[in-house]
Order: sequence, then C-alpha cells, then structure tokens
Amino acid sequence: AQSVTQLDSHVSVSEGTPVLLRCNYSSSYSPSLFWYVQHPNKGLQLLLKYTSAATLVKGINGFEAEFKKSETSFHLTKPSAHMSDAAEYFCVVSPTDGQNFVFGPGTRLSVLP
Amino acid sequence: EPEVTQTPSHQVTQMGQEVILRCVPISNHLYFYWYRQILGQKVEFLVSFYNNEISEKSEIFDDQFSVERPDGSNFTLKIRSTKLEDSAMYFCASSDRDGGPIYEQYFGPGTRLTVT
Repeated sequence: AQSVTQLDSHVSVSEGTPVLLRCNYSSSYSPSLFWYVQHPNKGLQLLLKYTSAATLVKGINGFEAEFKKSETSFHLTKPSAHMSDAAEYFCVVSPTDGQNFVFGPGTRLSVLP
Repeated sequence: EPEVTQTPSHQVTQMGQEVILRCVPISNHLYFYWYRQILGQKVEFLVSFYNNEISEKSEIFDDQFSVERPDGSNFTLKIRSTKLEDSAMYFCASSDRDGGPIYEQYFGPGTRLTVT
C-alpha cells in the first residue's frame, strides 16, 4: 500500500524568499512521484515528475524536487517565491505501472508581499 | 496543447437525482480516471478505466457510481441517486503510455457537484 504525508498543511513565505514544501511517501513498489499545483477554482496542473532517470527533477515555474530514497522524501523547492505561486500543492505517489494516484493532503502556500 | 475538458463546470442537483458528469480526455490517451475532492479534503481516487472496462476502483466507487465511454471521445461518470455527501469537485484525468512505465495523468478543470 502507498501513502503520502505532507508535513505542513500551510506554508507562508515572503515574496523573493525560498520555498520548501515537504513530502514523504511510503510505497512497497518503486514509486513514481509527482507534484501537482491547484490554483483557486482551477484544475490540477503537473509541476514535475520523478521518473527514476535523475534524482533531482526540474519542473515548471522554477520549481524542483529531489528524490531521496533513503529518506523516502520528495520535497519541493523554489529559490525565490513569486506572488503567483500562491496555491495548493499536492504530492502524489503512484506504483510503477502508473495506476491510481494517491494524493497527499496538500500544502497551501501563501506568498506575502 | 491538448487538454482534458469537463462539462459542466458546476452542477447543482437535488438529493436522489441522477447526474452525469462528462469528460473529454486527450484524444490519443488510453487510460481514464475519475477522482473527487470534497471541500477541504484531499483528492481521492474513484476509478480507472482501460480498454472499455474498469481496471481499478476504490471503496468510494459503490453501486451508485458507473462509468462509460459511450463513443470515441467522451468519458462519463454517472451517479445514480445522489446523496448530500456526494457534493465535491470531480476531476477527470487521462494518460497514455509514453514509452516507459510512468503514466503521467493529465487532469481536467473539474466539475463542482452540489447536492441539495
């Protein structure tokens, strides 16, 4: 069985400062891992995915995530937050064959001016 | 860029009524999914569909739910007799083998279902 933990339900940062959104997973398979973003009243947009090719994954809008198997983590980072980054972020785990996604509870990112 | 579309964006229905939520997946995709997100809660998997049959379903997907691909483009979720607790945002997603074992799922914008 797989599960995802997002340790922070809400993260607040100032514009221009770094962002760290934490994600830990458990999986009995070699997982695939994703980060999705949901802006208010919008659908889910893929930020990045881990495909086992490289442990450091770069995504859209300057986000990146590092897969650490020893820590079962896939934390999302961005060097400098922008106001438009304010949204809900979901870490997602899926078994290797890509069937149903298991979503984390989400982290709401607020960006202060 | 191709995208998943869903209609309607918002559906209001009375308890006990049947609703059909519609999705048009990306045209060359083979796998289709429904998820729901109750307000303030996390996104939950409902069902996956491949080759005209359900490949996996969750405990939430009981006999009140059904899915269908009535033609070559639409993918529908039917709730036979809606309950108040069915009020949620319903997301459709689709994916296709991209040459490797990882299937990235593309999500639609969602249909907000409100049961009164």
